[in-house]
Amino acid sequence: ETGVTQTPRHLVMGMTNKKSLKCEQHLGHNAMYWYKQSAKKPLELMFVYSLEERVENNSVPSRFSPECPNSSHLFLHLHTLQPEDSALYLCASSQEVGGPSYEQYFGPGTRLTVT
Amino acid sequence: AQSVTQLDSHVSVSEGTPVLLRCNYSSSYSPSLFWYVQHPNKGLQLLLKYTSAATLVKGINGFEAEFKKSETSFHLTKPSAHMSDAAEYFCVVSLFDSGTYKYIFGTGTRLKVLA
Repeated sequence: ETGVTQTPRHLVMGMTNKKSLKCEQHLGHNAMYWYKQSAKKPLELMFVYSLEERVENNSVPSRFSPECPNSSHLFLHLHTLQPEDSALYLCASSQEVGGPSYEQYFGPGTRLTVT
Repeated sequence: AQSVTQLDSHVSVSEGTPVLLRCNYSSSYSPSLFWYVQHPNKGLQLLLKYTSAATLVKGINGFEAEFKKSETSFHLTKPSAHMSDAAEYFCVVSLFDSGTYKYIFGTGTRLKVLA
């Protein structure tokens, strides 16, 4: 399998549930990203990892907890979410973090609905 | 402030007619620029990128964009629209900020193609 994959593609969870989103990249990249895409809002960068080390955390609530066990896998652990957290969560990877011309490759996203 | 602006939130064209999606940027440095496309319920796919080489950049699916420094623009064009081009398009600028390069996303332009 090639590119960036995400599972599950759709997730419905209650506010008291705990769930995890998974991202895997098959491109040999060293950097991985989580984005949130809400309707009528620009893409919001949530977290950036470089070689399993978190290098950026953009004021994301603690109910979102990322984990990067190796450079190919990235998780987003979710707990006690709010309805306003319903969105499309996109994972991306790039060759490195911080290069001027390193394009990012995106997964298909997980559509999250919090009830 | 360094940013990217997509001038139209929605564009409608008839099948077979030209497409123009506008993007302007502001930057203190020479930027790298990208166009991505997102089809419904899918991730973002890279169409093309500019990285200070040729100012006219050709991408996939017949799209191209021209970097115009004097106008600080990077408009996306296609000579003849196809129904499958209906999607949302994002202009992205990679800017040097606080010691590293960051992706700055535009708010997107939704392209509608009429039969």
